[in-house]
Amino acid sequence: DQQVKQNSPSLSVQEGRISILNCDYTNSMFDYFLWYKKYPAEGPTFLISISSIKDKNEDGRFTVFLNKSAKHLSLHIVPSQPGDSAVYFCAASDWGNDMRFGAGTRLTVKP
Amino acid sequence: DAGVIQSPRHEVTEMGQEVTLRCKPISGHNSLFWYRQTMMRGLELLIYFNNNVPIDDSGMPEDRFSAKMPNASFSTLKIQPSEPRDSAVYFCASSGRTGVIYQPQHFGDGTRLSIL
Repeated sequence: DQQVKQNSPSLSVQEGRISILNCDYTNSMFDYFLWYKKYPAEGPTFLISISSIKDKNEDGRFTVFLNKSAKHLSLHIVPSQPGDSAVYFCAASDWGNDMRFGAGTRLTVKP
Repeated sequence: DAGVIQSPRHEVTEMGQEVTLRCKPISGHNSLFWYRQTMMRGLELLIYFNNNVPIDDSGMPEDRFSAKMPNASFSTLKIQPSEPRDSAVYFCASSGRTGVIYQPQHFGDGTRLSIL
C-alpha cells in the first residue's frame, strides 16, 4: 500500500530552468513532509521540509509547496544546476517518527 | 560530527547463509530506522526503534528478518536464511526530537547486499 506516490520516475530539465517534482499522498493523518536527495552509492540526505500548518517553505533555490486539500506537495528548484542531478524522494510522517517514502524521481539537469 | 555508520558497505553471500548488517546511529539520537531500497518498491521502512525499543516492525517482510537494538549506539538487522530476493540496498537512519519539534532522519550510506 503506497501511501506516498511519486508518479514521475524521471525528469529532465535544462540548466537555469525550473525543476518541479511532484508527490501525492493518501493518508490524511500525515502532518510533516520532507524531501530528500540521493546521489549514487550514498544515503539520502535531507533537503527541505514542511509541516501541515504551512503551505510553503523556502530555502534558497528550493521551495516546497503543500496543498492539503489535494494531498499534494511539490518541490521547485530554481534555477536548476547540473549538481542538482540526483534522485529525489518525497516522505511523509504522521505525528510519529515513522516515515513513508515515495519511489523517487530521478532528476537530470542538462548543461 | 560522525554521521550514521553502517557496515559492511557491500556483502555478497550465498543463498541460505546468515547475514548481519550493522548500524551505529548519531550520538544523542533516540530513534533508529531500517529501510530497504529496491527498484520496484523504492525505500521501504522495515522497522524502527524509539529509545532502543522496537515500535513498528510491520514492514519486516518475513520471519527470516530480525532486528535488535541492544543499546543506544548499536543496532543489527539479521537475515537467516538469506534468499536471492533479499538482494537490495539496506539503509539505517537515525533522528532525534526536541520536544514536539520533528528532526529529519539522517541516513547512513547503506549496505549493498547480494545473495547469490
